[in-house]
Amino acid sequence: QLVLTQSPSASASLGASVKLTCTLSSGHSNYAIAWHQQQPEKGPRYLMKLNSDGSHSKGDGIPDRFSGSSSGAERYLIISSLQSEDEADYYCQTWGTGPWVFGGGTKLTVL
Amino acid sequence: EVQLVESGGGLVQPGGSLRLSCAASGFTFSSYNMNWVRQAPGKGLEWVSYISSSSSTIYYADSVKGRFTISRDNAKNSLYLQMNSLRDEDTAVYYCARDGYYDYVWGTYRSPHWGQGTLVTVSS
Repeated sequence: QLVLTQSPSASASLGASVKLTCTLSSGHSNYAIAWHQQQPEKGPRYLMKLNSDGSHSKGDGIPDRFSGSSSGAERYLIISSLQSEDEADYYCQTWGTGPWVFGGGTKLTVL
Repeated sequence: EVQLVESGGGLVQPGGSLRLSCAASGFTFSSYNMNWVRQAPGKGLEWVSYISSSSSTIYYADSVKGRFTISRDNAKNSLYLQMNSLRDEDTAVYYCARDGYYDYVWGTYRSPHWGQGTLVTVSS
């Protein structure tokens, strides 16, 4: 069964970097995923599509501070030079046979 | 500018019906597969339904199968979700979401995009 696992929470200091992880279930380590950001009281925003080889396609207007990488079944979202507006929920998502599959989301707190 | 604008949400009693609409602009709607995704209060994102660009392929989450119907009108650049036999647990913000695809003609990835959502409240 295709499942995405995310840690419920993460925190990092203003100006620092943080790495969020999304883990694909066994047998699905070659799947691409997408990262989406949801700021408080707002709809989700697409950040990037991340392939198993680490290549990624970012959405329009997404700052260079946001990048992605991959290792095995793990997909990472790296945010550098953290700003207050980066405090948000971050969801990874992949594609099953048609339907989207979401991870549970990681709530990022900027200290 | 790409825009997806949902409408049609509101308060409905259990067992009732609602029809959500999503108006698309700023892109070639007929080229994109589309989804409905919902988010219950304080919860994560839950995929609800998918429709291919030509309406030839449709999928539903098990939680809504047999009660919800997705459709689209490419001439009107619009996506719909007919929701019947609504339950308390259907209470959520419903988002219209464009899927992404690789455009081999132009050699570029056409990215996903989200609407701002419409709130559906099922309560007596």
